[in-house]
Amino acid sequence: SQQGEEDPQALSIQEGENATMNCSYKTSINNLQWYRQNSGRGLVHLILIRSNEREKHSGRLRVTLDTSKKSSSLLITASRAADTASYFCATDYSGNTPLVFGKGTRLSVIA
Amino acid sequence: KAGVTQTPRYLIKTRGQQVTLSCSPISGHRSVSWYQQTPGQGLQFLFEYFSETQRNKGNFPGRFSGRQFSNSRSEMNVSTLELGDSALYLCASTRKLAGEAYNEQFFGPGTRLTVL
Repeated sequence: SQQGEEDPQALSIQEGENATMNCSYKTSINNLQWYRQNSGRGLVHLILIRSNEREKHSGRLRVTLDTSKKSSSLLITASRAADTASYFCATDYSGNTPLVFGKGTRLSVIA
Repeated sequence: KAGVTQTPRYLIKTRGQQVTLSCSPISGHRSVSWYQQTPGQGLQFLFEYFSETQRNKGNFPGRFSGRQFSNSRSEMNVSTLELGDSALYLCASTRKLAGEAYNEQFFGPGTRLTVL
């Protein structure tokens, strides 16, 4: 399976702390995307990083991509209770195949 | 701009029945993808439609089918429902054109299907 793997599966932190989630994948990619899902709802796109980029920022989000290790990380700084959700990475292997989602990291931010 | 809408939001069916779910993409988006989400398997790709043609298909049995209309609205149908079909079915639209790398996908809120 080409499915990516997120690590950890679950993460619980205090409000104000940073949260780091990792994603590993298996073959070369066009881009990698991160999505958030609040309980039982649709996914919301957070950020896209292309294979020729190494780091990207969006507000409190920082994404890194290491193509040599086939891995990416998502850092959420100064977390808030509202950040509580599941976070998924999705890889685009080629222009003609669908995105492949990992199983997600469940983040709980405790106020 | 209105987001992706899915109807119905919740559905309860019994084994052996069939079900049709509907998805209206964001205006101007011609690509619609369907996913099945379960706690055990995560997000599994079902199929993608573009300009009324199925462009990609996931590894699901033939009981799962779909179609897309000229206004880009899409439906998926599951026949002869099984207990294992209970899941959240998500639809996503994108501006992606053929051969382009995937841009962000915009997801609908999903249809929660329960099969009894």
